[in-house]
Amino acid sequence: GENVEQHPSTLSVQEGDSAVIKCTYSDSASNYFPWYKQELGKGPQLIIDIRSNVGEKKDQRIAVTLNKTAKHFSLHITETQPEDSAVYFCAALSPGRRALTFGSGTRLQVQP
Amino acid sequence: EPEVTQTPSHQVTQMGQEVILRCVPISNHLYFYWYRQILGQKVEFLVSFYNNEISEKSEIFDDQFSVERPDGSNFTLKIRSTKLEDSAMYFCASSVTGANGHEQYFGPGTRLTVT
Repeated sequence: GENVEQHPSTLSVQEGDSAVIKCTYSDSASNYFPWYKQELGKGPQLIIDIRSNVGEKKDQRIAVTLNKTAKHFSLHITETQPEDSAVYFCAALSPGRRALTFGSGTRLQVQP
Repeated sequence: EPEVTQTPSHQVTQMGQEVILRCVPISNHLYFYWYRQILGQKVEFLVSFYNNEISEKSEIFDDQFSVERPDGSNFTLKIRSTKLEDSAMYFCASSVTGANGHEQYFGPGTRLTVT
């Protein structure tokens, strides 16, 4: 089955800096890659996603890139703010399935 | 903005007892899911449910687990005889069908503690 690896496990940046979180997946047929943000005591919140027919997608300060050949995708957050501090999860979905396979999470700390 | 809701937020039970975790998916969503997250580990898929039947389940979802949509709004996960290793955060999620059917929206979770 699908396996998703996520790095780094923790990331500390200064407010205003950029943050990059990377994920690799094993199933070359996977075609949907969401990113979730989880704040303390809350459930995962979908913040951005990308499908396999697209290489990059942006939404204000966040962007996701996908490299199908290398089977990796990344989350980029620019101009980080303290409220960006949370745990971020990547996930992958194989065609014909409904089960998301999650990465292990990255704890992002934005220092004011 | 519509949200998935879950009750209770925290459930403590003794080993061997039955528990029912409840979820109210987003009202126009037709696919429903349960995931769990053991402390410090990845979020893991348990089961998906569509049109009143299980559409997919993982190896974790054995005979001790069952799901039900008892009415038009609730979606439940039952664990028949809880084990210590069932202690985890359980998340319900839902999605629409069609082109945006991949987008799964999660509830806040129920923390299950089995003693």
